[in-house]
Amino acid sequence: AQKVTQAQTEISVVEKEDVTLDCVYETRDTTYYLFWYKQPPSGELVFLIRRNSFDEQNEISGRYSWNFQKSTSSFNFTITASQVVDSAVYFCALSFSGGSNYKLTFGKGTLLTVNP
Amino acid sequence: KAGVTQTPRYLIKTRGQQVTLSCSPISGHRSVSWYQQTPGQGLQFLFEYFSETQRNKGNFPGRFSGRQFSNSRSEMNVSTLELGDSALYLCASSSGPGGTYEQYFGPGTRLTVT
Repeated sequence: AQKVTQAQTEISVVEKEDVTLDCVYETRDTTYYLFWYKQPPSGELVFLIRRNSFDEQNEISGRYSWNFQKSTSSFNFTITASQVVDSAVYFCALSFSGGSNYKLTFGKGTLLTVNP
Repeated sequence: KAGVTQTPRYLIKTRGQQVTLSCSPISGHRSVSWYQQTPGQGLQFLFEYFSETQRNKGNFPGRFSGRQFSNSRSEMNVSTLELGDSALYLCASSSGPGGTYEQYFGPGTRLTVT
């Protein structure tokens, strides 16, 4: 079965702490794409990153970094020195074709609360 | 560049009625995908349209349908509404096929079925 598991339903941290959001995926496809999206309280999902299955390079963008490990089927997201504005629900998503056109499957999301 | 717009933002309907939601993608984007978000099921893919053709469909009953116009604007229709259809309906556009390109989401339409 193709699915995305975000085991952490809610995380609460104090500002300036580092926090890692876990994402584990399952797919039989050898070609697939992984995404992270952020949904702030306003409700609009915001794209953060896309990775294809052939690119295992980790990425850093400002305070955000992503660790993609095919060996453990994980695509974890770390926020360094968290800020109150980082409070949101974060979704990890997997796109696979399964012999058809690619479609996106989302994890259940992790609610991150950053307290001042 | 203007973002993805969805109308209406809020809607209250009665069981058995039908509803049409509208989505205008970012200019130049040819792919529009629709998602349903509920507290219980999370974010679920409904369907994707690319150049006026449905490319992909999720596991939803036939009461859920959609279409895309030549200007890439898309509409989603739900017929014979059920209480369980109450949800936030999100539309997303992308410059290429939705499953492989980053998608840009609209603010959603909050549908309440009573």
